[in-house]
Amino acid sequence: KAGVTQTPRYLIKTRGQQVTLSCSPISGHRSVSWYQQTPGQGLQFLFEYFSETQRNKGNFPGRFSGRQFSNSRSEMNVSTLELGDSALYLCASSARQGKETQYFGPGTRLLVL
Amino acid sequence: SQQGEEDPQALSIQEGENATMNCSYKTSINNLQWYRQNSGRGLVHLILIRSNEREKHSGRLRVTLDTSKKSSSLLITASRAADTASYFCATAGQGGSEKLVFGKGTKLTVNP
Repeated sequence: KAGVTQTPRYLIKTRGQQVTLSCSPISGHRSVSWYQQTPGQGLQFLFEYFSETQRNKGNFPGRFSGRQFSNSRSEMNVSTLELGDSALYLCASSARQGKETQYFGPGTRLLVL
Repeated sequence: SQQGEEDPQALSIQEGENATMNCSYKTSINNLQWYRQNSGRGLVHLILIRSNEREKHSGRLRVTLDTSKKSSSLLITASRAADTASYFCATAGQGGSEKLVFGKGTKLTVNP
């Protein structure tokens, strides 16, 4: 099976702009989770979608949003970008919700100038 | 807040030596998982150990879980330069909609 894919891999934006990141899970996986990774805060959970419904949400402002489509592909959107949003954004899929083995994509590295 | 806390934060060893990393957590768990991350890339799942298990092996990896002490350890035997990476533990709580919570990781360097 093909692994988790994320697009784009690298992105440079300026403050105030918005960005949309895309994640295609492993075929058959219905759960998609998003994480933000920074040197200072480590890996922080953003949200999880399962069968097109948000099942869990981390402690991030409303500027961070996401959605999942009927084919399980997911997008996350960050509006009004801030310098502190510069990070590696990782998407992970799993066959079942939440607690089981997560299969990670290569990540999207976002730089906000 | 982070649930798992890895120790040490960084570890440097010679090829062929064993590497031990520890993870402590605060609340009851359903399972505990270990992941590896090569520099700036996605995480790779290594092993999952459930709360009713005490030890698990996978190749050169050995994971132990002590729920009474709320701790786990990851042992990599006969390390190789290719094992150089960051290693994270992640805990899953017992609630119905609990998510995985990752620690900040141990950065392992294996010198050839």
